[in-house]
Amino acid sequence: NAGVTQTPKFRVLKTGQSMTLLCAQDMNHEYMYWYRQDPGMGLRLIHYSVGEGTTAKGEVPDGYNVSRLKKQNFLLGLESAAPSQTSVYFCASLGQPNYGYTFGSGTRLTVV
Amino acid sequence: AQKITQTQPGMFVQEKEAVTLDCTYDTSDPSYGLFWYKQPSSGEMIFLIYQGSYDQQNATEGRYSLNFQKARKSANLVISASQLGDSAMYFCAMREGNSGYSTLTFGKGTMLLVSP
Repeated sequence: NAGVTQTPKFRVLKTGQSMTLLCAQDMNHEYMYWYRQDPGMGLRLIHYSVGEGTTAKGEVPDGYNVSRLKKQNFLLGLESAAPSQTSVYFCASLGQPNYGYTFGSGTRLTVV
Repeated sequence: AQKITQTQPGMFVQEKEAVTLDCTYDTSDPSYGLFWYKQPSSGEMIFLIYQGSYDQQNATEGRYSLNFQKARKSANLVISASQLGDSAMYFCAMREGNSGYSTLTFGKGTMLLVSP
């Protein structure tokens, strides 16, 4: 089925470990986004990309890095995980119409 | 200052009644879009409705309508004839500008519980 796929769906990390979250879309969308959702905070933008090879910082970029080497994939990396990064992470992409955001199902990350 | 404010942390409504979820926004950009999303307990983000700042009429999608009051900077979601399946978290969001460079800013959400 067409859409946005996030892997993994769940992960538990120890403080200091690293990991990469993968977001893949098969809709040929130019724009992709990474959000985190914390209780009582809504969704906050971490990083985004307006096309292959581009990335930009969002509202809460510290502690994260991203890459968009292929148009269909947007990777979110945590180099040294901290308990404050325990959250649910959502990836989204934007195509047409220009309000048509498609969200992935989320990745629940716990850092202990 | 918050760009999107949802003042109701929780709302209760009885099945088949209508309910209004409040959202106010703050922007100086004349071109913007307002969105409502539903997040059920399963966690996915479901798009409900969109209103562009230049749209002359209030947006409607089935049982959902957006009460857009531009001068008051409010974009309330109205759900008519509530159903048990409407129980979920609801997020209002805004995009300033009109392209993918313009990112979504979300409110903190309102939890809606529909009782039989």
